Amino acid sequence: DVKVTQSSRYLVKRTGEKVFLECVQDMDHENMFWYRQDPGLGLRLIYFSYDVKMKEKGDIPEGYSVSREKKERFSLILESASTNQTSMYLCASSPNFGLNVVAFFGQGTRLTVV
Amino acid sequence: AQSVTQLDSHVSVSEGTPVLLRCNYSSSYSPSLFWYVQHPNKGLQLLLKYTSAATLVKGINGFEAEFKKSETSFHLTKPSAHMSDAAEYFCVVTQRKKAAGNKLTFGGGTRVLVKP
Repeated sequence: DVKVTQSSRYLVKRTGEKVFLECVQDMDHENMFWYRQDPGLGLRLIYFSYDVKMKEKGDIPEGYSVSREKKERFSLILESASTNQTSMYLCASSPNFGLNVVAFFGQGTRLTVV
Repeated sequence: AQSVTQLDSHVSVSEGTPVLLRCNYSSSYSPSLFWYVQHPNKGLQLLLKYTSAATLVKGINGFEAEFKKSETSFHLTKPSAHMSDAAEYFCVVTQRKKAAGNKLTFGGGTRVLVKP
């Protein structure tokens, strides 16, 4: 079974802190994604990466950055956490070829910024 | 460019009655379409996918969806709802082509309530 593992299920951070959310996948997938999930808004794409050291902005990248130094690991960084970044964060991975792509998701990290 | 619209944010059904969750999409390329389900405090689970084979797709737990290109729709149905179907459901689109960085675009979600 494909496994996508997020390092924390719950996090509480203070405003202004630098926050790291880590995601690891074990299926050698090229693509990795970070989404945030908010009630009524579904999942919104923050950033994605299609290769090591490659990244592209999603729909809501402001206030976030990412790092992908190794193929299996994709980190989301909140440079200076703010209360409006309180949310559920979901990591996903998928193979590259578009003909039969299925994405696999981690369990999510619920981040609260106080 | 691609987008997904789930037409109902909440659906309430009685146990044993049919369920219909509506999804419309737009895509510049031929799409692949998915339905995912998220039970409370659980991760996202793939229900079914359409990737250009049969237009009627069967998934897990008795769900099925029909791809209708002329209507740009991919509605999810189940003939008889079960209490365990209470969850949030997401319709998702991506581009069906070989390319680096195929993005997944999610609809806003439909929360299903099943009444006894």
